[in-house]
Amino acid sequence: EDQVTQSPEALRLQEGESSSLNCSYTVSGLRGLFWYRQDPGKGPEFLFTLYSAGEEKEKERLKATLTKKESFLHITAPKPEDSATYLCAVTNLASGTYKYIFGTGTRLKVLA
Amino acid sequence: DAGITQSPRYKITETGRQVTLMCHQTWSHSYMFWYRQDLGHGLRLIYYSAAADITDKGEVPDGYVVSRSKTENFPLTLESATRSQTSVYFCASGGGRSEAFFGQGTRLTVV
Repeated sequence: EDQVTQSPEALRLQEGESSSLNCSYTVSGLRGLFWYRQDPGKGPEFLFTLYSAGEEKEKERLKATLTKKESFLHITAPKPEDSATYLCAVTNLASGTYKYIFGTGTRLKVLA
Repeated sequence: DAGITQSPRYKITETGRQVTLMCHQTWSHSYMFWYRQDLGHGLRLIYYSAAADITDKGEVPDGYVVSRSKTENFPLTLESATRSQTSVYFCASGGGRSEAFFGQGTRLTVV
């Protein structure tokens, strides 16, 4: 069964304190891994797509990386506006359809 | 405006009532999805659709019905609402090979 596990559940950082969020996945064949940001009361907002091990994507203070078993979202010198819940999702190559399976997310709080 | 819109944004209904949540996308994406989001469970897939007239069950389909007669619309119906269906519902659409895009959500309360 496809499964996505995110850690930690919650993270508090001081402004400027870099850290990483983890997304571990179990799928029979990874088609894609996706990172989203979700602010309270809003729908998830797309950040990155990664397709193969070794791939990296960057956007401002965020960098996503992918291995065969997990993905990391690195946050460099975070600011309070980076506070949000970060969600990871995968799609399964073997399923023949594009169902996005989500983890439960990491709630990030960046303190000024 | 291009995008994906859900309506209503907020809904309160009584137990046993039928309620329909609407979802409309303007990108002509082939895939559309309905998720519910609850504390401790994250986003769970209710139903999805690969194209007009093609729908399939997700992880938690019981008590829900969907239809997709047109590519751009994917309504979700709760046939007889229960308190356990109180949740935030998100619709999403995607081209299939890449990311999905989400609506702003519908907060449904069943009393």
